Amino acid sequence: KAGVTQTPRYLIKTRGQQVTLSCSPISGHRSVSWYQQTPGQGLQFLFEYFSETQRNKGNFPGRFSGRQFSNSRSEMNVSTLELGDSALYLCATKRENGETQYFGPGTRLLVL
Amino acid sequence: AQKITQTQPGMFVQEKEAVTLDCTYDTSDPSYGLFWYKQPSSGEMIFLIYQGSYDQQNATEGRYSLNFQKARKSANLVISASQLGDSAMYFCAMREGGYSTLTFGKGTMLLVSP
Repeated sequence: KAGVTQTPRYLIKTRGQQVTLSCSPISGHRSVSWYQQTPGQGLQFLFEYFSETQRNKGNFPGRFSGRQFSNSRSEMNVSTLELGDSALYLCATKRENGETQYFGPGTRLLVL
Repeated sequence: AQKITQTQPGMFVQEKEAVTLDCTYDTSDPSYGLFWYKQPSSGEMIFLIYQGSYDQQNATEGRYSLNFQKARKSANLVISASQLGDSAMYFCAMREGGYSTLTFGKGTMLLVSP
């Protein structure tokens, strides 16, 4: 069974630009969550999508948004990038009634 | 208040020895789940073990076991017979109530020496 895939793996952007990250879940997993990991703040929850609906949202500004498609693939978008958005962005997926979230390899974003 | 506390920034252990990584948690919800993940330098978070708040027995997965002490609100990870490949960052995480959201601790860096 293929694992969670995230694209791109690495990204370099400049301040003010926007970026879109993609996450393809494990087959059969309909819940997709996004997390941001930085050295200073650690791992922080961004949002969760299930059946194309945002089910929960973390404490991030409106510049961070996401969506989920009918095939459960999810994208997150960050607009007007700031230096502080440099981070590892991880997505995690799980079955509807499952407990465990399985993570992808992450996208490393560097904002210059 | 911190919901997940990992007090050991780093741990050092010799190959084949057992090691315990500490985790305490704080929640008032009677239904919760506790997880341990391993993060090598590559960045991917690898699921190790899960313990539900209503589980009567401590969870075990191969060389990993979770020492769950509910009254003390602790969920320590025990790795038996450490291997060089166990060198990584280890995170304790919690899910509360009906939500999937994971709250993570700050992690413990484990170094295994030959």
